[in-house]
Amino acid sequence: QQPVQSPQAVILREGEDAVINCSSSKALYSVHWYRQKHGEAPVFLMILLKGGEQKGHDKISASFNEKKQQSSLYLTASQLSYSGTYFCGTASYGNNRLAFGKGNQVVVIP
Amino acid sequence: EADIYQTPRYLVIGTGKKITLECSQTMGHDKMYWYQQDPGMELHLIHYSYGVNSTEKGDLSSESTVSRIRTEHFPLTLESARPSHTSQYLCASSASTGGTEAFFGQGTRLTVV
Repeated sequence: QQPVQSPQAVILREGEDAVINCSSSKALYSVHWYRQKHGEAPVFLMILLKGGEQKGHDKISASFNEKKQQSSLYLTASQLSYSGTYFCGTASYGNNRLAFGKGNQVVVIP
Repeated sequence: EADIYQTPRYLVIGTGKKITLECSQTMGHDKMYWYQQDPGMELHLIHYSYGVNSTEKGDLSSESTVSRIRTEHFPLTLESARPSHTSQYLCASSASTGGTEAFFGQGTRLTVV
């Protein structure tokens, strides 16, 4: 039921790029991306509703390959504020649950 | 600005006590969720509701129960708390399951001693 996220952790220097992935064994209706900082609630980044859809939020963008049932989140020219755990949430056709993966821990260092 | 509130933020309680974690939202959302999260770990869906008087268990088995008598209120109850229940509990709501963002409350950090 839960989507699979990879890699588990990423360490990058300020200004570098990174890609994190989310995949599911089920046909997906939508993919959500959230970022959670230590001790805080997850914060919404973006939602992708259609296959092939791409969205951006500042220098963070995402794509959704409906056919492959996967999504990727792109961190471009990373900033220190990008550090945190990124959770992918997926909704499948025919059910009412929003399930999250285990998260990708991202650490941006100066 | 999210209008979803959880109380208490922190709770330390003895084994065997009955507890209720409160969650309220003022956005009129039909969908509400409870997630359990250990520090630095994944979000486990333990309960969800898609409207008044309809609740279902999530992916992670939990000894807790929930009720949804009013749209805005989705409390979680543990009849007899145990140390294994120590965790953070996050409540969320959304207008629809997959098509709109979910708003999270600040969470309740529960410690059972």
